[in-house]
Amino acid sequence: NAGVTQTPKFQVLKTGQSMTLQCAQDMNHEYMSWYRQDPGMGLRLIHYSVGAGITDQGEVPNGYNVSRSTTEDFPLRLLSAAPSQTSVYFCATFNPGTGELFFGEGSRLTVL
Amino acid sequence: ILNVEQSPQSLHVQEGDSTNFTCSFPSSNFYALHWYRWETAKSPEALFVMTLNGDEKKKGRISATLNTKEGYSYLYIKGSQPEDSATYLCAPYTGNQFYFGTGTSLTVIP
Repeated sequence: NAGVTQTPKFQVLKTGQSMTLQCAQDMNHEYMSWYRQDPGMGLRLIHYSVGAGITDQGEVPNGYNVSRSTTEDFPLRLLSAAPSQTSVYFCATFNPGTGELFFGEGSRLTVL
Repeated sequence: ILNVEQSPQSLHVQEGDSTNFTCSFPSSNFYALHWYRWETAKSPEALFVMTLNGDEKKKGRISATLNTKEGYSYLYIKGSQPEDSATYLCAPYTGNQFYFGTGTSLTVIP
């Protein structure tokens, strides 16, 4: 079992470029989510999904799009990158049986 | 948005010392309280999931208590070891969202 896999691990973008952070899981968890981690701040929820075809906004959704066409995948799209989106991004799934979040290894994004 | 506060922000202790951290959160709109351990260059990993007032969980030398009426949780580490060095995050869960504190960074000096 790979768990939660994020790609890419590192990415540098120029302002205005678009890109997609990929998140794939093999644990068959319905709930998936994206967080960003910035210095001095807690993990902040960007978007989440409670199942295929269902997404909702978290605390900081502006500038990001998501979709959930399958249980396994939950990509995060940056439509027009801004320096304020420089951050470390974590994808996480939720196991309702244990009540635990399972995190990917993170993706470090720098927007110049 | 829930305001979650963790204290202290950072802590340096000698190997063998016992220590504790605090997580404070609004006592209403609460479903569960999670603790995560986050080692440098790794991903956060679940330590405890607590739901009931007065709940107490233990895993080896680490234990946690929960007071939902007053909105706080304590994490205790007995006899700290260098491998306990990490950031410890708490996160109330409201039923569809987690709200993470900024964490307590623990460094255990050999």
